[in-house]
Amino acid sequence: SQELEQSPQSLIVQEGKNLTINCTSSKTLYGLYWYKQKYGEGLIFLMMLQKGGEEKSHEKITAKLDEKKQQSSLHITASQPSHAGIYLCGADNTGGFKTIFGAGTRLFVKA
Amino acid sequence: DVKVTQSSRYLVKRTGEKVFLECVQDMDHENMFWYRQDPGLGLRLIYFSYDVKMKEKGDIPEGYSVSREKKERFSLILESASTNQTSMYLCASSGPWLAGGGETQYFGPGTRLLVL
Repeated sequence: SQELEQSPQSLIVQEGKNLTINCTSSKTLYGLYWYKQKYGEGLIFLMMLQKGGEEKSHEKITAKLDEKKQQSSLHITASQPSHAGIYLCGADNTGGFKTIFGAGTRLFVKA
Repeated sequence: DVKVTQSSRYLVKRTGEKVFLECVQDMDHENMFWYRQDPGLGLRLIYFSYDVKMKEKGDIPEGYSVSREKKERFSLILESASTNQTSMYLCASSGPWLAGGGETQYFGPGTRLLVL
C-alpha cells in the first residue's frame, strides 16, 4: 500500500528564517495536497500539485512536486509566527477514492 | 467560500453512551469523509460516502457507523462510546473524482471528543 513519509517530524525556526518540509511517497503521486492545521483545529487547504515539476505558491509558501512525482517539498520564506502549526501532505491513493496523509510536521516559529 | 461545519467543537461523554457527530457542507459535494486524528498516528479514515445513502468503510470502521440521508449532511455514530475513542474527529468533503485524479478535500474545524 502507498505510504507518505514527512520530514522532519518537528521544526523550530527563528522568525525570518526559511525552512523546507518534505513529503516522500513509496509510489508515484497522482495528486499531492498540502494542508496546514492550527493546533486543535481543522485542516486548511493550501495547494494541490499534479504534474511532475509543478510548482505553486501561496503567499510566502511554495510547494513543488519533483519530476518523478514521488517527492514534494514545501518551502516557507521568511517565516512568521503565523506560519506555526502542523503541515500535512496528502495524496490520492492509487486505487482511487481515498486520500492518504502523512503524519505531519509540527512547525514552531520563535519570535 | 468553502464551508464545512461540525456540530460541536468539544464533547464529553461517558463510556457506553451513544454519540452523534454531525457534519454539514454547503458546496454540493458528492463525497464526504470522517477521520480521526491521534498523536503519532496521523489522520485515519473511518468511513466515507460518495453519494446519498452510500457508504464505504475506511481503515478503522470498528465501533463506528455513519448515516448520509441528505447530500449535505454526513453523521458519524459511536454506538457505545469507549475510552479508546477519545480523539479529534475531522469531517471533510470533496467534489466528484476526476478521471486520473482526485479532488481536494475541505475540512471542518474538528470535534474533540473525550470519553470518560
